[in-house]
Amino acid sequence: AQKVTQAQTEISVVEKEDVTLDCVYETRDTTYYLFWYKQPPSGELVFLIRRNSFDEQNEISGRYSWNFQKSTSSFNFTITASQVVDSAVYFCALSEGGYSGAGSYQLTFGKGTKLSVIP
Amino acid sequence: DVKVTQSSRYLVKRTGEKVFLECVQDMDHENMFWYRQDPGLGLRLIYFSYDVKMKEKGDIPEGYSVSREKKERFSLILESASTNQTSMYLCASRVAAVTDTQYFGPGTRLTVL
Repeated sequence: AQKVTQAQTEISVVEKEDVTLDCVYETRDTTYYLFWYKQPPSGELVFLIRRNSFDEQNEISGRYSWNFQKSTSSFNFTITASQVVDSAVYFCALSEGGYSGAGSYQLTFGKGTKLSVIP
Repeated sequence: DVKVTQSSRYLVKRTGEKVFLECVQDMDHENMFWYRQDPGLGLRLIYFSYDVKMKEKGDIPEGYSVSREKKERFSLILESASTNQTSMYLCASRVAAVTDTQYFGPGTRLTVL
């Protein structure tokens, strides 16, 4: 069974600090996909990134970067020079890609990390 | 841009009422989902639809039903609302494959009194 663990329940940082959100996953599949979503106080889950298991290249998008390491089953998310607008709950999620079609729907979410950026 | 909309952001209903939550997506996605989100429990899948008129139960379908008569619209129905169904309800859609990204609507915060 697949599982996603976000051990950090809540993190507080001061504006402009860097912060890393941890995500550890478990899966038996060799083909899988990892996702990060942001949920601001408004409630909508905003898609940030999707990464497949065959692509271990790190990704950078502006102040956001992601570090995917299969050896440690981790997909960590770093925000550089954090801003108040980054305050949100961040979710890591996993889907196993070995099967698709009718009946295949599992996207497993971690419990989320609440990030508070203090001005 | 993918757009998923939900009929209400906030809803207050009474115990025993029949409640309809509507979700519409404008991207011709095959698959649609209903989740509920509760503190400490994270997101849990209620129902999933992989095509028009097709549905599958998720992890917590008890007390809910769904309807998908048109591709763009997926409705969640609480036949007889109860206080333990007070929650945040999130709708999502994706193109078709399990590897595709799910895109979420803004959520409906339902309170059952």
